[in-house]
Amino acid sequence: LAKTTQPISMDSYEGQEVNITCSHNNIATNDYITWYQQFPSQGPRFIIQGYKTKVTNEVASLFIPADRKSSTLSLPRVSLSDTAVYYCLVGLSMIKAAGNKLTFGGGTRVLVKP
Amino acid sequence: NAGVTQTPKFQVLKTGQSMTLQCAQDMNHNSMYWYRQDPGMGLRLIYYSASEGTTDKGEVPNGYNVSRLNKREFSLRLESAAPSQTSVYFCASSEIWGSGGGTEAFFGQGTRLTVV
Repeated sequence: LAKTTQPISMDSYEGQEVNITCSHNNIATNDYITWYQQFPSQGPRFIIQGYKTKVTNEVASLFIPADRKSSTLSLPRVSLSDTAVYYCLVGLSMIKAAGNKLTFGGGTRVLVKP
Repeated sequence: NAGVTQTPKFQVLKTGQSMTLQCAQDMNHNSMYWYRQDPGMGLRLIYYSASEGTTDKGEVPNGYNVSRLNKREFSLRLESAAPSQTSVYFCASSEIWGSGGGTEAFFGQGTRLTVV
């Protein structure tokens, strides 16, 4: 499984854009990049997933450069309720038979201030 | 549609006691997982089950056993609880989605276990 490195914590203010970069230098050809969000006392929640270039949904955007050795989660105009831990995961197999072992790193603790 | 349901939500055990954490999903997923999360830390994989009838060790399997009872249910058992097993335990399930692969996992609300 590809090892990921992301900042331990980030502070921001309401209305700002938050960008969290995750490094995954040994990403494999078939690996997807997935981000999860975890609020205190809750289980993680899927935010976004991508393979290459850019993916956008109603919550976030995910930017993946051509070499795929890093990715950036972008949260536009954050609010206080976006305060959470954000996890970057890499290494989800496309092959169903291999199973989909999900391994989390330490995540990035984002604090949004008023 | 309940998603992933864990029971109990809270539990206090004495050292040496045993208990089973229950997890059930109603999304017809093949893969299920058990994680533990210590205060201020990320999630660590204890065991997983890629499909019904199979289980495998994760990062921290010592002191735990699992049973994939059927496609819906995946239980985690502590045979002799120790204070080091005080943690929040999360169950999750996943399935391949989309034509290109990739996986979205769904998590339960967690079981807060304290071993005294």
